[in-house]
Amino acid sequence: AAGVIQSPRHLIKEKRETATLKCYPIPRHDTVYWYQQGPGQDPQFLISFYEKMQSDKGSIPDRFSAQQFSDYHSELNMSSLELGDSALYFCASSLTPPLGQGRFSPLHFGNGTRLTVT
Amino acid sequence: AQSVTQPDIHITVSEGASLELRCNYSYGATPYLFWYVQSPGQGLQLLLKYFSGDTLVQGIKGFEAEFKRSQSSFNLRKPSVHWSDAAEYFCAVGAGFQKLVFGTGTRLLVSP
Repeated sequence: AAGVIQSPRHLIKEKRETATLKCYPIPRHDTVYWYQQGPGQDPQFLISFYEKMQSDKGSIPDRFSAQQFSDYHSELNMSSLELGDSALYFCASSLTPPLGQGRFSPLHFGNGTRLTVT
Repeated sequence: AQSVTQPDIHITVSEGASLELRCNYSYGATPYLFWYVQSPGQGLQLLLKYFSGDTLVQGIKGFEAEFKRSQSSFNLRKPSVHWSDAAEYFCAVGAGFQKLVFGTGTRLLVSP
């Protein structure tokens, strides 16, 4: 079965540079999520998009932005990179359940992009 | 606020022995609970989920988990561990609309 595809797998950037991470969700999934996992830490929610609109926002720095395109793929743009941005960045996708029905659609994660800032 | 506690940072189990990984959650309403596994350099793979109904849920790779509301727990179990089970295991609660809150993870080491 098709999974969530992330590119690149690894990325090395210098301080103050910019980076763009890409995510291709599972076909027919309408929601994408971005998580950041620092070394030895649990994944932290950054931001999510439903039907190309931002649906929720977590602890995403102002230096980061993201969007979801008409084909449902998403990009996370990171500017003025800092050493502390070095982490594993996961994208996940889901088919969102209709509102008000009290269900939760499981998130399916990609293999992540490992960003190293030097 | 929703939170998940995994009290064991590391656990070492002999191959073939049984396994139980602990997870406690804090959530006001009926929780949606998940276990994910992360192998080195890999993404998060969903092992199993609990939404409602039977409190013992079966997952992939021979794992199961039991939801105990009275103890706010959702412990993961496997009767016989294989060397390939060595990985990081994350418990998570579905908080709000489609948002996951993860525990800090438990690293499972499997000894020969």
